[in-house]
Amino acid sequence: QVQLQESGPGVVKPSQTLSLTCTVSGGSINSGYPYWSWIRHRPGEGLEWIGYIYYSGATHYNPTLRGRVLISLDTSKNQFSLNLGSVSAADTAIYYCARSKDALNPTIFDPWGQGTMVSVSS
Amino acid sequence: DIQMTQSPSSLSAFVGDRVIITCQASQDITNSLSWYQEKPGKAPKLLIYDSSTLHSGVPSRFSGRGSGTEFTFTISSLQPDDVGTYYCQQYENVPTFGGGTKVQ
Repeated sequence: QVQLQESGPGVVKPSQTLSLTCTVSGGSINSGYPYWSWIRHRPGEGLEWIGYIYYSGATHYNPTLRGRVLISLDTSKNQFSLNLGSVSAADTAIYYCARSKDALNPTIFDPWGQGTMVSVSS
Repeated sequence: DIQMTQSPSSLSAFVGDRVIITCQASQDITNSLSWYQEKPGKAPKLLIYDSSTLHSGVPSRFSGRGSGTEFTFTISSLQPDDVGTYYCQQYENVPTFGGGTKVQ
């Protein structure tokens, strides 16, 4: 059974880059489930999809964050990563990584990691 | 972006009650809708996709229906483990989520 686990710093300073990693266990990131996403939950707000990476390395980002987001893949470590630049307090959130349920639809998410809280504060 | 309006934002119910949550899309999304359960400190869970298809392993007391712009999610008999926040999500376009319904 595939499991995902987010890791990274809990606090990031304003204007810096937020960097998180999602480690996949119980299955290969190169398997038949090719889409790997980042999603966040800001306090008092709903969930927000950030973007996904295809197993080939192709990416697709939410237009509201495009220009600040970079998602990358490291198949040798069975990991994928999120970099979000020029952060502000509005980027404080629980960040989740998730896999697509199957190869047919990239944005039905299953399973998810349990999330990691990131605060943007000086 | 397609806006998803979910209601109610919270509800209280007793064990055994029938719970209904609605989700309205700002434009036609056919049946491209899923429902998730979120609990603090735990991985969110996919419950339903394609508006009405129950995900593998999900109890049959959960169900969904609807198409176009109007959708409903039902828990037929609320159990203690069902406490949490439920979200609808459309994937017809850039994915967006409803505001959530806290069930307690």
